[in-house]
Amino acid sequence: KQEVTQIPAALSVPEGENLVLNCSFTDSAIYNLQWFRQDPGKGLTSLLLIQSSQREQTSGRLNASLDKSSGRSTLYIAASQPGDSATYLCARVSGTYKYIFGTGTRLKVLA
Amino acid sequence: DTGVSQDPRHKITKRGQNVTFRCDPISEHNRLYWYRQTLGQGPEFLTYFQNEAQLEKSRLLSDRFSAERPKGSFSTLEIQRTEQGDSAMYLCASSLPAAGGNEQFFGPGTRLTVL
Repeated sequence: KQEVTQIPAALSVPEGENLVLNCSFTDSAIYNLQWFRQDPGKGLTSLLLIQSSQREQTSGRLNASLDKSSGRSTLYIAASQPGDSATYLCARVSGTYKYIFGTGTRLKVLA
Repeated sequence: DTGVSQDPRHKITKRGQNVTFRCDPISEHNRLYWYRQTLGQGPEFLTYFQNEAQLEKSRLLSDRFSAERPKGSFSTLEIQRTEQGDSAMYLCASSLPAAGGNEQFFGPGTRLTVL
């Protein structure tokens, strides 16, 4: 059962573009929503955590929003750079434990 | 203590062998989680400890898998009679219980290759 869906699965953009990654989830009883970055063969780097009482979080060129009523979160990356190339994962947190991850969006930013 | 650590970072083994991985959580984090990530997929939950008690195990955790956290600090994940399908990245995370939801902090993972 796929509970968290990420679209697109892969994305290739030229450097400098603003882009949006999408994450949708089927269970509206969400607690937190967290975005991660994963470089090939590496572990997870936390980017932004949105608690259920919040609508968005910002860090540098990254902005993440959460709309529980529609079951969606978006990660906005401004002025993309080649160093942003990675897989981006969203994870739904329900209850007090257990993250449910999407399958990720593989981003490639071309110089 | 700067974060969650895992050892080893890479493990190559032959089918049928047993392997054991270790996870050291952030100090004073009483919750510890194991996840498995196969190629092209997001991590999937395996099991969860609160202190030394194992509170939930996923159906993914077959009887060949066993996890322990004997003193409520570090944890081990053992796979017996490894199969090629066990090849994956095994990720450990830890957290404190918090009113706002327990943010999990992930380790670098152990990459297992079963030949």
